[in-house]
Amino acid sequence: TQLLEQSPQFLSIQEGENLTVYCNSSSVFSSLQWYRQEPGEGPVLLVTVVTGGEVKKLKRLTFQFGDARKDSSLHITAAQPGDTGLYLCAGAMVRGNEKLTFGTGTRLTIIP
Amino acid sequence: DAGITQSPRHKVTETGTPVTLRCHQTENHRYMYWYRQDPGHGLRLIHYSYGVKDTDKGEVSDGYSVSRSKTEDFLLTLESATSSQTSVYFCATWTWGRETQYFGPGTRLLVL
Repeated sequence: TQLLEQSPQFLSIQEGENLTVYCNSSSVFSSLQWYRQEPGEGPVLLVTVVTGGEVKKLKRLTFQFGDARKDSSLHITAAQPGDTGLYLCAGAMVRGNEKLTFGTGTRLTIIP
Repeated sequence: DAGITQSPRHKVTETGTPVTLRCHQTENHRYMYWYRQDPGHGLRLIHYSYGVKDTDKGEVSDGYSVSRSKTEDFLLTLESATSSQTSVYFCATWTWGRETQYFGPGTRLLVL
């Protein structure tokens, strides 16, 4: 059983729409990261959240860490084709990111 | 960018044969990791290393072994490949003070 479950697994929406991706666990994490992966490449870090309730914004992307540090969400406003990719959350159970547990992934497709 | 290269990038092999994948880094990062990526499972940790000759198992280590005789190289060996080991394998590195794990481009392995 994977510790971090992401939903939905697949999401296909029209350009300009908003969307939210969820990352849920029954375990508490010291910090949580979101990565994006393009086809044929490795994941690249988007953001790290470390405090319960923390909200971080990266242009049109808004990341939130749950109050209990067990879950996180990624909200994209006015999605663009360049947002297409595989989104992975990853949690660290201890301070420092030397060992991460990755989520199951959400494959996002933005249709022009 | 941790200057990570993986070789080979693609490999087709037969069931029962041994296979070795190589990861090479140029940034002298202490930690190195091997993950496998399969649809619906995100990234799962196979083995990791926290120094030369210091390695530990991840969540899906059965059927895999690793070696690290130099800081820059981390080898993953499939002792007797099975079809269930068909996957995309990613190497990653990390060092203290860095927020992110850095990922290589991946090796696509097909076991027939």
